[in-house]
Amino acid sequence: NAGVTQTPKFQVLKTGQSMTLQCAQDMNHEYMSWYRQDPGMGLRLIHYSVGAGITDQGEVPNGYNVSRSTTEDFPLRLLSAAPSQTSVYFCATKPRWEGVTEAFFGQGTRLTVV
Amino acid sequence: AQSVAQPEDQVNVAEGNPLTVKCTYSVSGNPYLFWYVQYPNRGLQFLLKYITGDNLVKGSYGFEAEFNKSQTSFHLKKPSALVSDSALYFCAVRDRYSGAGSYQLTFGKGTKLSVIP
Repeated sequence: NAGVTQTPKFQVLKTGQSMTLQCAQDMNHEYMSWYRQDPGMGLRLIHYSVGAGITDQGEVPNGYNVSRSTTEDFPLRLLSAAPSQTSVYFCATKPRWEGVTEAFFGQGTRLTVV
Repeated sequence: AQSVAQPEDQVNVAEGNPLTVKCTYSVSGNPYLFWYVQYPNRGLQFLLKYITGDNLVKGSYGFEAEFNKSQTSFHLKKPSALVSDSALYFCAVRDRYSGAGSYQLTFGKGTKLSVIP
């Protein structure tokens, strides 16, 4: 099993461009989420999903869209990239949304917006 | 709203010495608490969690954490540090009695642990 796979690993965008960060999991986990990691800020939740067809906003959702059409995939879309979105993005999953299980993280996507 | 504080940006410790990485939390009910470790250019890895019961929780790689309800703390400890323990450590909390909007974890800002040979 691959676990949580994020693509791409690195990306450079110009201001105003759009792109999609991919997250795929093969563990049949119900819960998926996106975090951004910035120096001195820790991890901040962008969006999350408790199952296919259900998404909700986290702490810092502005500028990002998500959808969850399948259990396996949870793409994060940047509609019009801004330098403030330069960050490392992590996808994380859990078996069930209400359980007290640990989260499984992908290896991250390092995004630079110039 | 729940929150987590890691008061030290960096902790330096000599190899073989005991280490402590501090974490305090604030939640409306009883908490679920976690520690994660991040090695360079990698995602976060789970170390241990506290749900209920014994206040001393043992986890991966010889780490343990002590839950102290009165001090609202959950400090990470290891009796003898290794150079390979050098990494970024995150404390996280999930409120136990929260509603539909709180499935997520709230993370601290992270503490960089450097173990000096």
